Amino acid sequence: DGGITQSPKYLFRKEGQNVTLSCEQNLNHDAMYWYRQDPGQGLRLIYYSQIVNDFQKGDIAEGYSVSREKKESFPLTVTSAQKNPTAFYLCASSSLAASYNEQFFGPGTRLTVL
Amino acid sequence: GQQLNQSPQSMFIQEGEDVSMNCTSSSIFNTWLWYKQDPGEGPVLLIALYKAGELTSNGRLTAQFGITRKDSFLNISASIPSDVGIYFCAGQLRTSGSRLTFGEGTQLTVNP
Repeated sequence: DGGITQSPKYLFRKEGQNVTLSCEQNLNHDAMYWYRQDPGQGLRLIYYSQIVNDFQKGDIAEGYSVSREKKESFPLTVTSAQKNPTAFYLCASSSLAASYNEQFFGPGTRLTVL
Repeated sequence: GQQLNQSPQSMFIQEGEDVSMNCTSSSIFNTWLWYKQDPGEGPVLLIALYKAGELTSNGRLTAQFGITRKDSFLNISASIPSDVGIYFCAGQLRTSGSRLTFGEGTQLTVNP
């Protein structure tokens, strides 16, 4: 099946630890995105990448880091510098071949920092 | 960043009723997208709109791209319990590349 996978579904970490969230897609999409969602709120863009080995900061990049070594993969690291990391994290991807940017989402990872 | 004003924030309706929600902005968008999110899941794309004035249907859902390119609405006809969830609008600005701007969502509750 083609799609976007995120793992794990639930993640618990102690305060002060870095944690890496996985995102993989087999849709052959060029662009990938990371969003953060807090209860009752919309989606805020953390980082995005339109090509391998390149990425740009979104609206709330502080305390996060990413890499794009392969087209299929876009892992997100939540560092200890992120003041309030507990949230629902969503990965998305889109094709840049057409003018229209339809982003498709993974199932999300719920991160809880204790 | 750019803002999309999505309303209403929440709706409580009876099964069988029609629903309407909308998004407005002071900016001009090239594309409007509507997503639905179930609890604990990722958003799913419902309808994509590419041209000003375009009216597109997907089953009981109908969405329109406003003539001014600054707004869009989504209608759901004859609602059913599985319509429950959060509906998000998203727009692509001409100047934002592949980035989308999201509304804050409309929480829909359908009472059987």
